[in-house]
Amino acid sequence: GAVVSQHPSRVICKSGTSVKIECRSLDFQATTMFWYRQFPKQSLMLMATSNEGSKATYEQGVEKDKFLINHASLTLSTLTVTSAHPEDSSFYICSARGGRGLDYGYTFGSGTRLTVV
Amino acid sequence: GDSVTQMEGPVTLSEEAFLTINCTYTATGYPSLFWYVQYPGEGLQLLLKATKADDKGSNKGFEATYRKETTSFHLEKGSVQVSDSAVYFCALADYNQGGKLIFGQGTELSVKP
Repeated sequence: GAVVSQHPSRVICKSGTSVKIECRSLDFQATTMFWYRQFPKQSLMLMATSNEGSKATYEQGVEKDKFLINHASLTLSTLTVTSAHPEDSSFYICSARGGRGLDYGYTFGSGTRLTVV
Repeated sequence: GDSVTQMEGPVTLSEEAFLTINCTYTATGYPSLFWYVQYPGEGLQLLLKATKADDKGSNKGFEATYRKETTSFHLEKGSVQVSDSAVYFCALADYNQGGKLIFGQGTELSVKP
């Protein structure tokens, strides 16, 4: 089945530094990648949608200059949290689709726990 | 905009009890509906899905029926196990709006032996 690999699974960084999270589709070409943020005991909040080779579309209220998304190839998307602060600490999850029709499911990465100290 | 509402948790059941987690949705189009499960510290796994009205999704003893007339997609299982303890998310996707998944708030299920 479709597999999405997300790294790192956990990261601790100092306030003011940047952190990059990678999401790779291992056995299919990911036409679209979605990035979510999840707070403890809460639902997944969609941050942005990216299509290969084009700029990401950010949801309302998400700072595009803080959360940089790159989807340069059909198998790799990255989320960079720039100048991280403690309030950015959260669980980040990516999801990938191989196409746009009903036949294409959503495959999720295992998530990245970011802690900013 | 589109939205999903789930019953609040946590839900605590004894092993072999019957499970129902309610889910209702609001959508302007004809969405596909999903149930996902999340175990502690992990990402999401697809549990089941339905793509049109009256479809029934089923997997691992769980099932849910897409009810357009009541805009609902309730999750049921006849006999839960301790290993079913997790957080369950109902979600919809409207492919006419870019196909993004919209999630409910999640329902935590705890099954006691």
